Amino acid sequence: RKEVEQDPGPFNVPEGATVAFNCTYSNSASQSFFWYRQDCRKEPKLLMSVYSSGNEDGRFTAQLNRASQYISLLIRDSKLSDSATYLCVVNDMRFGAGTRLTVKP
Amino acid sequence: DVKVTQSSRYLVKRTGEKVFLECVQDMDHENMFWYRQDPGLGLRLIYFSYDVKMKEKGDIPEGYSVSREKKERFSLILESASTNQTSMYLCASSLVGQGYEKLFFGSGTQLSVL
Repeated sequence: RKEVEQDPGPFNVPEGATVAFNCTYSNSASQSFFWYRQDCRKEPKLLMSVYSSGNEDGRFTAQLNRASQYISLLIRDSKLSDSATYLCVVNDMRFGAGTRLTVKP
Repeated sequence: DVKVTQSSRYLVKRTGEKVFLECVQDMDHENMFWYRQDPGLGLRLIYFSYDVKMKEKGDIPEGYSVSREKKERFSLILESASTNQTSMYLCASSLVGQGYEKLFFGSGTQLSVL
């Protein structure tokens, strides 16, 4: 089993939609979790860290479920500019394969 | 802002050649990483280093080696390049801290092995 698994998508949603991605991890001792965003032909950049109590940054909400060993990213009121690949990262260095999101007018 | 610089954006090599990919960071980060990224597979960890002259194998080290003689420089070496090593290679660095350490990436090297 891979250490980090993501639904690859693609997710195609209309502007204004709410979309959620999940990412499961296999190592129950994992301590740190992140979501990164990667635009086409660019390097990944940190979107947000994921804290145990859950955290929100504007339209983005990240949550951690330790019991079921997954993290989630919720995007509300999707914008065209949210179109990208979203990567989860566990323990500072291991990435999921990424979920591709396309937001359409 | 942290800068992670990879020496080449595009590189074309022939099968069997020895290839060096260089990565330099300017923020005194202890940790450095090499990944390759292929469509549908995401970023896969090749090697990482937590300190000078220290290296650890990642998930796919076969066919690669690394060198970290100075803190700011982490080199990836393909001893004898093969066509299945055609990929985008990404270098990253991060600080040692109390956890939740952000990775800073270089802009990547697209390597084609013919």
